[in-house]
Amino acid sequence: DVKVTQSSRYLVKRTGEKVFLECVQDMDHENMFWYRQDPGLGLRLIYFSYDVKMKEKGDIPEGYSVSREKKERFSLILESASTNQTSMYLCASSSAAGRDQPQHFGDGTRLSIL
Amino acid sequence: AQKITQTQPGMFVQEKEAVTLDCTYDTSDPSYGLFWYKQPSSGEMIFLIYQGSYDQQNATEGRYSLNFQKARKSANLVISASQLGDSAMYFCAMSYNTDKLIFGTGTRLQVFP
Repeated sequence: DVKVTQSSRYLVKRTGEKVFLECVQDMDHENMFWYRQDPGLGLRLIYFSYDVKMKEKGDIPEGYSVSREKKERFSLILESASTNQTSMYLCASSSAAGRDQPQHFGDGTRLSIL
Repeated sequence: AQKITQTQPGMFVQEKEAVTLDCTYDTSDPSYGLFWYKQPSSGEMIFLIYQGSYDQQNATEGRYSLNFQKARKSANLVISASQLGDSAMYFCAMSYNTDKLIFGTGTRLQVFP
């Protein structure tokens, strides 16, 4: 089974802090994604990566950056956390073999910025 | 621009009954894929079923089937013989010219005894 592991289920940070969310997948997938999920808005793509050291902006990249130094790991960074970044963050990975490949998700991180 | 619409914020169904969750999409790309995911209260997103735009037959996976009507741009999820464990959020999603997905806003399904 595909396993996508996010480093924390719950995280509480203060405004202005630099926050790191880590994601690791064990299926040698090329693609990795970071989403945020807010009630009534569904999932919105923040950043994605289709290869090591490659990244592309999604729909809401402002205030975030990412790092992919190894194929299995994709990190989301909140440069200076703000209260409007309180949300559920979901990491996903998928094979680049075709458009029919589903994304596999981690359990999510509920991040609160105080 | 691509868009996914789920018009039912919430649905109720009695145990053992069938339920249909609606999803409509909009894209000008002739090649695309449609996915359904389940999100229980614990938070993880679980892949349920996939339908490709060129697939002639509706996809089925166990109790899940996808009612794909290409001309109407709809991809409704049908759950047969509902179980209490089916209570969750359900998301419709579409892939288009990349490996990215766009998601609808979801439907909360509640199954009652």
